[in-house]
Amino acid sequence: EAGVVQSPRYKIIEKKQPVAFWCNPISGHNTLYWYRQNLGQGPELLIRYENEEAVDDSQLPKDRFSAERLKGVDSTLKIQPAELGDSAVYLCASRGSGVPTDTQYFGPGTRLTVL
Amino acid sequence: AQSVTQPDIHITVSEGASLELRCNYSYGATPYLFWYVQSPGQGLQLLLKYFSGDTLVQGIKGFEAEFKRSQSSFNLRKPSVHWSDAAEYFCAVGDYGNKLVFGAGTILRVKS
Repeated sequence: EAGVVQSPRYKIIEKKQPVAFWCNPISGHNTLYWYRQNLGQGPELLIRYENEEAVDDSQLPKDRFSAERLKGVDSTLKIQPAELGDSAVYLCASRGSGVPTDTQYFGPGTRLTVL
Repeated sequence: AQSVTQPDIHITVSEGASLELRCNYSYGATPYLFWYVQSPGQGLQLLLKYFSGDTLVQGIKGFEAEFKRSQSSFNLRKPSVHWSDAAEYFCAVGDYGNKLVFGAGTILRVKS
């Protein structure tokens, strides 16, 4: 079974430029998460989708971040414009059901560097 | 709101020695608790989880963790560490809203 796929793996951009990250969850997984992991810290949730609906985006900085999950499968996270403080690893995870005890499976992440 | 504290930023153990990584959580109800491992350039991999029942939980790669409600702890243990266990370990607490809150992680170094 293929895991969570993310691309690109690495991205270097100048500040004020836009950037987008793509995630394809495990087949059949209805729940999709985007996390941000700053250097030396644990991941922090940005947004959670149940199918195509964003059910928790309270931690998403909406002035510059946006996300979509069309058709309830793959998802894109966008930053426009990027700031120096956005340098981090962006992780996507998926889960098969909404049961809290079910496992979240993580992708390898996209490492963003903003210069 | 829930929170997780991992008091040790770095731990170094000799290969073959035992290991214990500490995790303390804050959560008002019965928590769902998880340990993940992250190797460089890799995503997080679940080692084990606890949500009810036996407070001693067995996981993959020979790891186990014990839930102690009175101490609000969920420490991870392994009786004999292998060089391949060198990685960063994250404790997390989950709630009914399917949200995971992670600790800051503990970096494990294994010396031969």
